[in-house]
Amino acid sequence: EVQLVESGGGLVQPGGSLRLSCAASGFTFSSYWMHWVRQAPGKGLVWVSRINSDGSSTSYADSVKGRFTISRDNAKNTLYLQMNSLRAEDTAVYYCARNDSSGTGGAFDIWGQGTMVTVSS
Amino acid sequence: DIQMTQSPSTLSASVGDRVIITCRASQSISSWLAWYQQKPGKAPKLLIYKASSLERGVPSRFSGSGSGTEFTLTISSLQPDDFATYYCQQYNSYPRTFGQGTKVEIK
Repeated sequence: EVQLVESGGGLVQPGGSLRLSCAASGFTFSSYWMHWVRQAPGKGLVWVSRINSDGSSTSYADSVKGRFTISRDNAKNTLYLQMNSLRAEDTAVYYCARNDSSGTGGAFDIWGQGTMVTVSS
Repeated sequence: DIQMTQSPSTLSASVGDRVIITCRASQSISSWLAWYQQKPGKAPKLLIYKASSLERGVPSRFSGSGSGTEFTLTISSLQPDDFATYYCQQYNSYPRTFGQGTKVEIK
């Protein structure tokens, strides 16, 4: 079964750090670009970051640039999001999503279940 | 950044109704548009890609149309399982952007 499973969320104080993980299974992880998308409580979906298949290229939303770092370990089939200098406005459910370039041209065809990050003192 | 604007924000409908949701892009995105369905507490699910292509396993009552800046998602006959929030997303350029969502409620 094709699956993405996030972990690493939790409660952190403003200014703190957290690393999210997204474990992939059921497909050739190293062939796909991957994304992080977040959703604040009661709000809509917001794209956060993406990484290409070998990890050599990344991009970020302006709101997280310089604070968040996306990375991947293709040997471990795992995607990461290192989040530093966290702010209250980073509070959200964070989803990892697979970028299906070949089939859909780049839509997000597989999503994880999400992991909640709460930034509060 | 490309802004995506959906209308309406909320829609009240009955089982069996035909439902149309509109998505407008602030500049042309060709056909690089996807539609997602999200239910409370769940991850989004891809319904439509390239504006009009139905994702595998998605019921044929869902359809998409449009190109350039104007797009629609149509549900031909609303079913109980379809009450959810729907998002459009452009994947023409970065940053990827989503519409604000359309909540389909029971009338």
